[in-house]
Amino acid sequence: AQKVTQAQTEISVVEKEDVTLDCVYETRDTTYYLFWYKQPPSGELVFLIRRNSFDEQNEISGRYSWNFQKSTSSFNFTITASQVVDSAVYFCAIDRGSTLGRLYFGRGTQLTVWP
Amino acid sequence: ETGVTQTPRHLVMGMTNKKSLKCEQHLGHNAMYWYKQSAKKPLELMFVYSLEERVENNSVPSRFSPECPNSSHLFLHLHTLQPEDSALYLCASSQDVSGGVYTFGSGTRLTVV
Repeated sequence: AQKVTQAQTEISVVEKEDVTLDCVYETRDTTYYLFWYKQPPSGELVFLIRRNSFDEQNEISGRYSWNFQKSTSSFNFTITASQVVDSAVYFCAIDRGSTLGRLYFGRGTQLTVWP
Repeated sequence: ETGVTQTPRHLVMGMTNKKSLKCEQHLGHNAMYWYKQSAKKPLELMFVYSLEERVENNSVPSRFSPECPNSSHLFLHLHTLQPEDSALYLCASSQDVSGGVYTFGSGTRLTVV
């Protein structure tokens, strides 16, 4: 079975602070994908990143960065210099690397960035 | 329109009503999904369609009945729902069923009274 744990239910920061959202996953598969999705107040989930289980290189995209560590089964997400527009619910998810995938989501972390 | 469009955005229905949720995508994707998002619960996958064929029914009660008449449209027919079915119902699509890169709609906020 696959499982994603996002222990932080809610996080509040002030604009320009850095914030890290934690994600721990469980899987018995050797091949899998890890994801982060953002859900703004408008409701739709927006894809942010997908990582293959064989690629542990960290990734940076603008103010966003992701730290993938297989040794601790973690895939953490850091927002640098947070902005009010970053306020949203962020979901970590895992998908088995097979022809019939299925996304398993964590419960999400509500991030509020105050001006 | 681009992306995934869901209608209606909000729906209030009685337990004896019959209603349908509609989802439409013009992204050329081959797979479509229904997810249920309840308060304080993880997103729950309900149904998966690939090339208009249902490939997964995740133990969803029969009061929820999906329909995929073509690769661009997905419906969720609702009848004799319970108050605990109140939730945000999200539709998503992807190029194929593998890979996990989904485009989501904004959802239908359903309230069962």
